[in-house]
Amino acid sequence: DADVTQTPRNRITKTGKRIMLECSQTKGHDRMYWYRQDPGLGLQLIYYSFDVKDINKGEISDGYSVSRQAQAKFSLSLESAIPNQTALYFCATSDTRTSGAQETQYFGPGTRLLVL
Amino acid sequence: GESVGLHLPTLSVQEGDNSIINCAYSNSASDYFIWYKQESGKGPQFIIDIRSNMDKRQGQRVTVLLNKTVKHLSLQIAATQPGDSAVYFCAEARGSYKLIFGSGTRLLVRP
Repeated sequence: DADVTQTPRNRITKTGKRIMLECSQTKGHDRMYWYRQDPGLGLQLIYYSFDVKDINKGEISDGYSVSRQAQAKFSLSLESAIPNQTALYFCATSDTRTSGAQETQYFGPGTRLLVL
Repeated sequence: GESVGLHLPTLSVQEGDNSIINCAYSNSASDYFIWYKQESGKGPQFIIDIRSNMDKRQGQRVTVLLNKTVKHLSLQIAATQPGDSAVYFCAEARGSYKLIFGSGTRLLVRP
């Protein structure tokens, strides 16, 4: 979805390095999410944010941190990258204000991360 | 345990035929289900959703069927086209924010 952008699209880093993945959205949605996708598997939730002041851990938050700098921006950091964090990372957004309690999530194009 | 799974990892169909992609879920308390399409190099794209108080919902060329008795969800694509080739995920919503994704089915459309 072009309304959700991620940078960079591809990144190669070395073990122990700190890296940041950025996500921006122009949809005006209040909720944002970070997911990880490993080959042949579904998406696993890393962190989610209901608004700027509300950050929550997902299923696999260890080794990751996030920052919700503004309603439209949600970044994911790997403090000290390790090879098993090699994966596809997706940002998603959803809007609870118009869809009620159950919402559809809209995904960005993904960042392909390789940790050597 | 709780899981959202798929019966077939790869489905090959002839162009013009109908496709049926299946998904099983184990949590009877789940009340919202979504199908996503993921093309190579792209993020998952919303296709269609269904709430647990329904057993069928139709979109453009797609139909989702929900059988709560056997905890089964299916996506039917009519007149499958080459552009339908992708990986399809079902997702189960538990609560108002959390989506649990299956591992996906790859749909290959033969010309």
